[in-house]
Amino acid sequence: ETGVTQSPTHLIKTRGQQVTLRCSSQSGHNTVSWYQQALGQGPQFIFQYYREEENGRGNFPPRFSGLQFPNYSSELNVNALELDDSALYLCASSTSRDRVLYEQYFGPGTRLTVT
Amino acid sequence: DAKTTQPPSMDCAEGRAANLPCNHSTISGNEYVYWYRQIHSQGPQYIIHGLKNNETNEMASLIITEDRKSSTLILPHATLRDTAVYYCIVRASLSNDYKLSFGAGTTVTVRA
Repeated sequence: ETGVTQSPTHLIKTRGQQVTLRCSSQSGHNTVSWYQQALGQGPQFIFQYYREEENGRGNFPPRFSGLQFPNYSSELNVNALELDDSALYLCASSTSRDRVLYEQYFGPGTRLTVT
Repeated sequence: DAKTTQPPSMDCAEGRAANLPCNHSTISGNEYVYWYRQIHSQGPQYIIHGLKNNETNEMASLIITEDRKSSTLILPHATLRDTAVYYCIVRASLSNDYKLSFGAGTTVTVRA
């Protein structure tokens, strides 16, 4: 158990809809990263939040957006869902101090299916 | 971040040591070697990381060659629960670029 929780565990949406995924960080962690993992592939970095601001972004379109709250929990929002958005979405929390990032601890993920 | 090369799969006998190789020939001086594993349908799990020296913790040992161009993760006594995909990642720990770049990893199957 990493102390990182995600909700919901599974979700089915229709193409064109919007979805919000949630993540609660491990206690004391101030940084949250989101990853997308398609079936049979390694996780791909979407973006990271540090102290409520986006702190780096991978090669994902603007319809992928996020938020981090004062308690360091986070949301991932995806608009205009496409079939290729079907994947496991992973949240990872970590501590950053003085530009040093310590190891990331992953939640169990949310399995999103777009039909 | 430097790229890594890992074998796509390997088998290991239960109770024996599992040695997982990783090549990272373009690693730069400030980049660490990280290992994560992902058991089926779970999130990746941090195992260990190192810069130059060999490292050991309760899960595994990490052996880094002197030129730092390759490393080996050692699971000393593999169990069936160690069956997973193992990812070798290199990244700068002191950096504004905090992402982990996962490759395809090595699928390790521990057999009874």
